[in-house]
Amino acid sequence: GENVEQHPSTLSVQEGDSAVIKCTYSDSASNYFPWYKQELGKRPQLIIDIRSNVGEKKDQRIAVTLNKTAKHFSLHITETQPEDSAVYFCAASIDWGLSFGAGTTVTVRA
Amino acid sequence: DSGVTQTPKHLITATGQRVTLRCSPRSGDLSVYWYQQSLDQGLQFLIQYYNGEERAKGNILERFSAQQFPDLHSELNLSSLELGDSALYFCASSSRAENSPLHFGNGTRLTVT
Repeated sequence: GENVEQHPSTLSVQEGDSAVIKCTYSDSASNYFPWYKQELGKRPQLIIDIRSNVGEKKDQRIAVTLNKTAKHFSLHITETQPEDSAVYFCAASIDWGLSFGAGTTVTVRA
Repeated sequence: DSGVTQTPKHLITATGQRVTLRCSPRSGDLSVYWYQQSLDQGLQFLIQYYNGEERAKGNILERFSAQQFPDLHSELNLSSLELGDSALYFCASSSRAENSPLHFGNGTRLTVT
């Protein structure tokens, strides 16, 4: 089945700096890549997604890039703020749904 | 609000007991997924149903079972509970459209004492 690897597992950044999370996937048939943000004790929420016919997508301070040849995709958060502190999960589509990465705990230091 | 409803929000029970978690998907969604999230852990996929039929199975213990009813709501049954079953249990739903995102409910926090 699909195996999604996510790095790093933890990330600490200074407020205002950028944060980058990287994921790789194994199934060449995957063509949909969402990112979820989970605050402590809350449900995972979709923050941005990208499909295989697009190489990059941006939404305000958040951007995702996709390299289908290399089978990796990344989340970029610019001008980080304290409310960006959370666990972020990447995912890749598989035939029956989504395969999730293990998550990255992002801490934004004031 | 994701539109996915999970009940109850919290559940405290003793080892050896049996509990049922309930999930109502978003209106129109045919797929329901169950995930387990232990403290500081990732999302462990348990099982998926599509329009009443089991479609995919993850690392679900034999003590756990689930079903999806004709009205598309789903129930996750956990029996012979152990301390290690304490976790957040999330239900998610998705539409029948290909490559659609999962929408998560707020979860049921199960504490086994």
